[in-house]
Amino acid sequence: EIVMTQSPGTLSVSPGERATLSCRASQSVSNNLAWYQQKPGQAPRLLIYDASTRATGIPARFSGSGSGTDFTLTISSLQSEDFAVYYCQQYNNWPLTFGGGTKVEIK
Amino acid sequence: EVQLVESGGGLVQPGGSLRLSCAASGFTFSPFAMTWVRQAPGKGLEWVSAIVGSSRTTYYADSVKGRFTISRDNSKNTLYLQMNSLRAEDTALYYCAKDRIYWGSSWQFDSWGQGTLVTVSS
Repeated sequence: EIVMTQSPGTLSVSPGERATLSCRASQSVSNNLAWYQQKPGQAPRLLIYDASTRATGIPARFSGSGSGTDFTLTISSLQSEDFAVYYCQQYNNWPLTFGGGTKVEIK
Repeated sequence: EVQLVESGGGLVQPGGSLRLSCAASGFTFSPFAMTWVRQAPGKGLEWVSAIVGSSRTTYYADSVKGRFTISRDNSKNTLYLQMNSLRAEDTALYYCAKDRIYWGSSWQFDSWGQGTLVTVSS
């Protein structure tokens, strides 16, 4: 099983600032990586797939990069609605696996 | 508008069974792979099971293999999860989710239901 490790666990950021979230795979997943956003009491929402492609309707301030084992989600200028938990998910191998999440909170 | 509505959750004793359903609407159901993902209270996401559109291929997490069975009825636009031999550690909110691509399987999930809560306790 591929283990996905996200860091940091919590990120404190001021509105308007940049947030950089990390996801590391225990072995290469090529670019088969997705990012999801989850707000309290809501279902996850797909943000990024294939490591760097924004899903339909996702604002341009969200960007993904990386390949192999190291990936980054960047939110260029945090808006109030972006404070949430973010998960990475690999789909290169079975079983599918999620990272433990990074909570982005207001500083 | 895509809608996924889960049902069937509830309180069950250890060793018991439940059958979850996910009613899909707003899109052509049969071509899309589907999945179940769960989230224990206050915890992260855990993938549980997936099924391709034709039902010919299914996948399971090791933690549920042999106990859970995923299936679908394309004539009823409904996804199912039969859960047997339930354990306390199966307690979670169970989400169904739709694959992003038509006639294939990307294993990226672009629409999710609101979840149904399963509690396993005596």
